[in-house]
Amino acid sequence: DAEITQSPRHKITETGRQVTLACHQTWNHNNMFWYRQDLGHGLRLIHYSYGVQDTNKGEVSDGYSVSRSNTEDLPLTLESAASSQTSVYFCASSDKRASSYNEQFFGPGTRLTVL
Amino acid sequence: QQPVQSPQAVILREGEDAVINCSSSKALYSVHWYRQKHGEAPVFLMILLKGGEQKGHDKISASFNEKKQQSSLYLTASQLSYSGTYFCGTEKQGAQKLVFGQGTRLTINP
Repeated sequence: DAEITQSPRHKITETGRQVTLACHQTWNHNNMFWYRQDLGHGLRLIHYSYGVQDTNKGEVSDGYSVSRSNTEDLPLTLESAASSQTSVYFCASSDKRASSYNEQFFGPGTRLTVL
Repeated sequence: QQPVQSPQAVILREGEDAVINCSSSKALYSVHWYRQKHGEAPVFLMILLKGGEQKGHDKISASFNEKKQQSSLYLTASQLSYSGTYFCGTEKQGAQKLVFGQGTRLTINP
């Protein structure tokens, strides 16, 4: 069955370190998204991609970067981790070719703690 | 701009009804609804499209008022399994990305 996975599921790191969160989907979806979830803020979009070599900034992109070298993967990099980036991170994918409703399928999430 | 959901939290007894609202200041193409159980990922429930088409969930319905840019989610005869946080996600024409509201926490008690 097609799925979307994230790794690691839990990560503890120190301020200033570079961290990369992985997202891998086997839906063959063109669209991939990264969100962070914090209490009281819901899901906020960090970066998104509509296809290979395409990346775009979301509403809270400062301190984060992504690259899309293939359809399946969209890794999220925190260049220099800050305590304010402690959060739960969700990856999602969608594709209007698969469903005209373009619903998003979410990965299980990564809980990141920056000390 | 983030859509505004109301109420922020609801507590019901099993069998009661609930309405969750989502309002946007922007012209919308569609409104998505997702439910997230504690410690899990959000799961797609329903989409309301401009023009009235919707893809629904068996026991949950929704409406989309295009003039007011508002959507409402209706949960009737609520079950314990309905507990969770509900998010609306709004989509502009051609955007494909969603902007989510802050969520509404629904608690169903026996």
